[in-house]
Amino acid sequence: SQQGEEDPQALSIQEGENATMNCSYKTSINNLQWYRQNSGRGLVHLILIRSNEREKHSGRLRVTLDTSKKSSSLLITASRAADTASYFCATASRGGSEKLVFGKGMKLTVNP
Amino acid sequence: NAGVTQTPKFQVLKTGQSMTLQCAQDMNHEYMSWYRQDPGMGLRLIHYSVGAGITDQGEVPNGYNVSRSTTEDFPLRLLSAAPSQTSVYFCASRPQRGEKLFFGSGTQLSVL
Repeated sequence: SQQGEEDPQALSIQEGENATMNCSYKTSINNLQWYRQNSGRGLVHLILIRSNEREKHSGRLRVTLDTSKKSSSLLITASRAADTASYFCATASRGGSEKLVFGKGMKLTVNP
Repeated sequence: NAGVTQTPKFQVLKTGQSMTLQCAQDMNHEYMSWYRQDPGMGLRLIHYSVGAGITDQGEVPNGYNVSRSTTEDFPLRLLSAAPSQTSVYFCASRPQRGEKLFFGSGTQLSVL
């Protein structure tokens, strides 16, 4: 069963704009991770936020976590055409982090 | 380092045939896992292993077997392929005390 659910499922923006993706999940987590998948490729880890953290930054990425609402958001600032990809959130539950559970993903298109 | 290597990249099978998807990593990662990716379904965990000689089931294990005789290799076996197993398969690994997954580039499997 899917733990995370990304929203929106698809987003199209212009280069230079910011892109915000949301993820909702159902059970208590140990950490939440975001991955990117370029077309026809494997997933690449972007950023991890732990359950006791509220915000984290990495370059143009900013992720927030609200454990009371069981939700997270990923912000990509000053987007580039190269950011065009599918983005997935994944959660590691408190009960056991051996099973990283992925959401269905969302497609971001950045138009030049 | 090559990272996580999956072979073959593409495979077409007939219903009832058997085959093994290969996965090898050269990062000395204890944890390895197999996911399948289907349109609109995200990634679903098939099997995982926390070390040589240890395997466990994920969310969708039926129809798949795994073994882990070495740290480097984690093959996925389809004993009698079915059209429902048409999918893209990803192998991923991480250190035992790590959290982020490193993915292979995937195997696209079609079962006719």
